[in-house]
Amino acid sequence: KAGVTQTPRYLIKTRGQQVTLSCSPISGHRSVSWYQQTPGQGLQFLFEYFSETQRNKGNFPGRFSGRQFSNSRSEMNVSTLELGDSALYLCASSYSSGRLGTDTQYFGPGTRLTVL
Amino acid sequence: GENVEQHPSTLSVQEGDSAVIKCTYSDSASNYFPWYKQELGKGPQLIIDIRSNMDKRQGQRVTVLLNKTVKHLSLQIAATQPGDSAVYFCAENFGLIFGTGTRLQVFP
Repeated sequence: KAGVTQTPRYLIKTRGQQVTLSCSPISGHRSVSWYQQTPGQGLQFLFEYFSETQRNKGNFPGRFSGRQFSNSRSEMNVSTLELGDSALYLCASSYSSGRLGTDTQYFGPGTRLTVL
Repeated sequence: GENVEQHPSTLSVQEGDSAVIKCTYSDSASNYFPWYKQELGKGPQLIIDIRSNMDKRQGQRVTVLLNKTVKHLSLQIAATQPGDSAVYFCAENFGLIFGTGTRLQVFP
C-alpha cells in the first residue's frame, strides 16, 4: 500500500505571496491532519479534516486554511506569507472515523517551505 | 504553542546500551500516547503507542511506561543500534500535542 505523499517536497516563496500544499493520504484513510514543524516551536498541530469537514483546529491564524476533497486528498493554503512561516509542513492520515488519535497516524515526508 | 515537556533534548549512547527518554504531559484527560521516530528528511514514524488503560507496553526492543498519577511517560530502547539514531517525540491529547523531541545518537 502506498504511503502518504506530499507535493511539492520543496518550495521557495517570498513574503506576501500565498502557497498551496497538497497531500494524498493512504488509500482508504479518511482523516487528514496537517502539522507545522520548526526548530523553535517543534511540531504544532494545524488542523484535521474528515469527510471533507474540518473536525479539529489548532491555534494558528486565519492565514492558514485547508480543505479536503471527496477522494480524501487534502490541500492547505497559507496566504500573505511571513518569514516565520518557513517550516516543514507535514501531513498525516489515519483511517479513524472516531476522534483523532484513536487510530495510528501515518506521516508523509513533508513539504519544506522557505519564505524569503 | 503547547508542547509536552520532554527530556533529555539530546542523548548519546554506545551501541548496545539502553536509551531512556521521558515526557511529562499536562492534560489528565489524555488517553492515547504515541511515540514517533523521525529520521533526517522523513516524516515521523510511529514506533509504539500506549493507551491510558495500560501502564506498560512492549514492542521490539522498545518499552513504554505510563504513570497517570504523575502524568509521566517514558520510552526505553534496549540494545541500541546505529539505525536507532533519530529524533524521538512523545505526544499526548490524541496525538495533537507533541513533545519537544530528543535527538538520539548511537555510536558504534
